[in-house]
Amino acid sequence: EAGVTQFPSHSVIEKGQTVTLRCDPISGHDNLYWYRRVMGKEIKFLLHFVKESKQDESGMPNNRFLAERTGGTYSTLKVQPAELEDSGVYFCASKPQGGASYEQYFGPGTRLTVT
Amino acid sequence: SQQGEEDPQALSIQEGENATMNCSYKTSINNLQWYRQNSGRGLVHLILIRSNEREKHSGRLRVTLDTSKKSSSLLITASRAADTASYFCATGETSGSRLTFGEGTQLTVNP
Repeated sequence: EAGVTQFPSHSVIEKGQTVTLRCDPISGHDNLYWYRRVMGKEIKFLLHFVKESKQDESGMPNNRFLAERTGGTYSTLKVQPAELEDSGVYFCASKPQGGASYEQYFGPGTRLTVT
Repeated sequence: SQQGEEDPQALSIQEGENATMNCSYKTSINNLQWYRQNSGRGLVHLILIRSNEREKHSGRLRVTLDTSKKSSSLLITASRAADTASYFCATGETSGSRLTFGEGTQLTVNP
């Protein structure tokens, strides 16, 4: 079974530019989460999709961030325009719906550097 | 608000020694999980302990949970160089909800 994949693995952009991160969850996982770790600090939640619907987007820092999950499969996270403080590692995780398991399956992350 | 605080922030030991990492949290929890992140890779789930459990083992891992003190510890016995990674505790309210992570402990195991 393929794991969660993220693209790109590393992105370097200038302040003011736009970047789109992509996450492909494990096939059949309805739950998809975005997290980020900024400046080596704690990993913070951004948002949660159940299929194509946003279940919880309370962690999105501001309206420069836009997440989509059209069709309920892969998800994209767009940052427009990027600011210096957006630099960090963006993780995606997925989880099957239902059941008692609390484990989330994480991708390798995208390291975003804004200069 | 920050849920988990972990200490130490960094730990360096020799191969064969035991490593202990601690995590504290602020709210009531249903369970607490530990994840590991190797450099350049994603987070890997290690072990979960439920709020009604006090201790759990998995291979060389031992996790304890003290809900009265809102704290947990992760013990890695007989450490190996391959255990070098960042370790995070995380809590979730329900099976589908977000995870709230601590700041992590960077463990270095020297060969």
